[in-house]
Amino acid sequence: TQLLEQSPQFLSIQEGENLTVYCNSSSVFSSLQWYRQEPGEGPVLLVTVVTGGEVKKLKRLTFQFGDARKDSSLHITAAQPGDTGLYLCAGARSNYQLIWGAGTKLIIKP
Amino acid sequence: NAGVTQTPKFQVLKTGQSMTLQCAQDMNHEYMSWYRQDPGMGLRLIHYSVGAGITDQGEVPNGYNVSRSTTEDFPLRLLSAAPSQTSVYFCASSARKGKPLVDEQYFGPGTRLTVT
Repeated sequence: TQLLEQSPQFLSIQEGENLTVYCNSSSVFSSLQWYRQEPGEGPVLLVTVVTGGEVKKLKRLTFQFGDARKDSSLHITAAQPGDTGLYLCAGARSNYQLIWGAGTKLIIKP
Repeated sequence: NAGVTQTPKFQVLKTGQSMTLQCAQDMNHEYMSWYRQDPGMGLRLIHYSVGAGITDQGEVPNGYNVSRSTTEDFPLRLLSAAPSQTSVYFCASSARKGKPLVDEQYFGPGTRLTVT
């Protein structure tokens, strides 16, 4: 089974700090997605990256797809309590099925 | 536009009981999927469908059945519940779009199932 490893598994920081979470695999993916999940709800898509080396920005969130399309990172600048949640990455196989990481649980303290 | 809806929100079953988790979407998406989410394991695909009348197995299909008689509905049946099926179940729908094609999923709010 292909796996996506996310790190760290858990991160608790103060409001205003910067952070980066990682999503790594030994497999190549045709695209990679990041989702955020809040307690009691389903995941919500944040971004899809499809090209090696691609960088996408969503306000204070910056997503990067590795050059070899095996890994990705999510960087949050000046984190806010509203960023709290479980961040999931998912890599797409050639048949479109998604392989999911276990998630990074992020807590931003006021 | 309700998106993806799931019922029930919570369910407790005894070992051996059967039940159906309901899922409906109003976005006219062709693709629908069922996942289970367990702590530390991410989302695992149970079954999926690429259109009405077409279903296929995912990573962990044993103990579950699905059918897709309409584009909107994709129920998941637990045949004989076991404690190992205690989990949170999510239904998702998607439409492939873009160049290259990507499959962006919209999730329901989930069903938290406990089997005793």
